[in-house]
Amino acid sequence: DVKVTQSSRYLVKRTGEKVFLECVQDMDHENMFWYRQDPGLGLRLIYFSYDVKMKEKGDIPEGYSVSREKKERFSLILESASTNQTSMYLCASSFHTSGNSYEQYFGPGTRLTVT
Amino acid sequence: RKEVEQDPGPFNVPEGATVAFNCTYSNSASQSFFWYRQDCRKEPKLLMSVYSSGNEDGRFTAQLNRASQYISLLIRDSKLSDSATYLCVVNEGSSASKIIFGSGTRLSIRP
Repeated sequence: DVKVTQSSRYLVKRTGEKVFLECVQDMDHENMFWYRQDPGLGLRLIYFSYDVKMKEKGDIPEGYSVSREKKERFSLILESASTNQTSMYLCASSFHTSGNSYEQYFGPGTRLTVT
Repeated sequence: RKEVEQDPGPFNVPEGATVAFNCTYSNSASQSFFWYRQDCRKEPKLLMSVYSSGNEDGRFTAQLNRASQYISLLIRDSKLSDSATYLCVVNEGSSASKIIFGSGTRLSIRP
């Protein structure tokens, strides 16, 4: 069974703090993703990584950065947290198949509140 | 126009009923399609991929209509445990950055 874990289920941070969200997968997947999910907006891609040290911006990268130093670990960094970054953050991983079919496996999510 | 559109529901149906959802997508070059389910306060979980020929997994049937640019999910003999939000997911291109999630259709099965 694929397992994707996230470092925290709930996190409360103050405006301006630097925030690190960690994600680890145990299935040797090439691809890892960070999404945020907000009511009425669905899941929106922040960043994804297709290999160690490789990354690509998603739809809403502003205010975020990522790090992938090891294949199994993908970190999301909020350089200076703001209240509009209060959200549910979901990490996912997938193989890259020849048919460009990405079956994604999600972690349990981190509910971040910025006050 | 949204890239991937779903009826948000909620669909409220009795146990044992058959229910169907559609999802429309705007990019005719889209390459792969999926249905995920998401329980309240949980992460999305892959339900099934959707193939051009259609596919079935037990009580669940997924179909793709490329001409009209929609995918569908049919649930037969619905169970209380089917209550969840169903997310339509479309991969518009070769990059994983082109994976688009619909906002979901909420399904509630009543006894």
